[in-house]
Amino acid sequence: SQQGEEDPQALSIQEGENATMNCSYKTSINNLQWYRQNSGRGLVHLILIRSNEREKHSGRLRVTLDTSKKSSSLLITASRAADTASYFCATTNTNAGKSTFGDGTTLTVKP
Amino acid sequence: KAGVTQTPRYLIKTRGQQVTLSCSPISGHRSVSWYQQTPGQGLQFLFEYFSETQRNKGNFPGRFSGRQFSNSRSEMNVSTLELGDSALYLCASSPRTPSEGELFFGEGSRLTVL
Repeated sequence: SQQGEEDPQALSIQEGENATMNCSYKTSINNLQWYRQNSGRGLVHLILIRSNEREKHSGRLRVTLDTSKKSSSLLITASRAADTASYFCATTNTNAGKSTFGDGTTLTVKP
Repeated sequence: KAGVTQTPRYLIKTRGQQVTLSCSPISGHRSVSWYQQTPGQGLQFLFEYFSETQRNKGNFPGRFSGRQFSNSRSEMNVSTLELGDSALYLCASSPRTPSEGELFFGEGSRLTVL
């Protein structure tokens, strides 16, 4: 089964609003990453947060990590139509030696 | 710096045939991972290679195989294709092990099995 699960599965907002996506996982991790995928394309890495970090920012992106709850959230502020895409969280741990992806959240930003 | 290159981008095969997909990682990256993406199963890990050695393998049948060459380029092969193998196959490279950092993905090879 997948390590990560995103919530919600789909999110539709107006341009300028904030979008929040959540990710839950099951086992201990080294780091958690967020990726974006435009329809039918490859994934683009957005941000990585390590297990000893609680919050990280990159431009309009803010990621939080709560290892006690085994969950993470991705906040996109002041969304734009170009943010329309699927967003995936991926977890990695030393034992697995691989990144395991969740099912993704499909974000639609209406102009 | 050139990104991850996957070829072919699109291909159509019939059941029972075999297919080989190619991936050229970013220069200097020694780790290459392969994923299968389908609407029903999401992103499923196939295998990961580092310095020509397969270090991890996902839960796929033996029809799925891969290899990595000394220049870090990688290929994956699927034999005796089934309809359910229709998917987007994604290759990702990393300068370190996947557990240490981000993955850099190619645009994928979309396989349709008829």
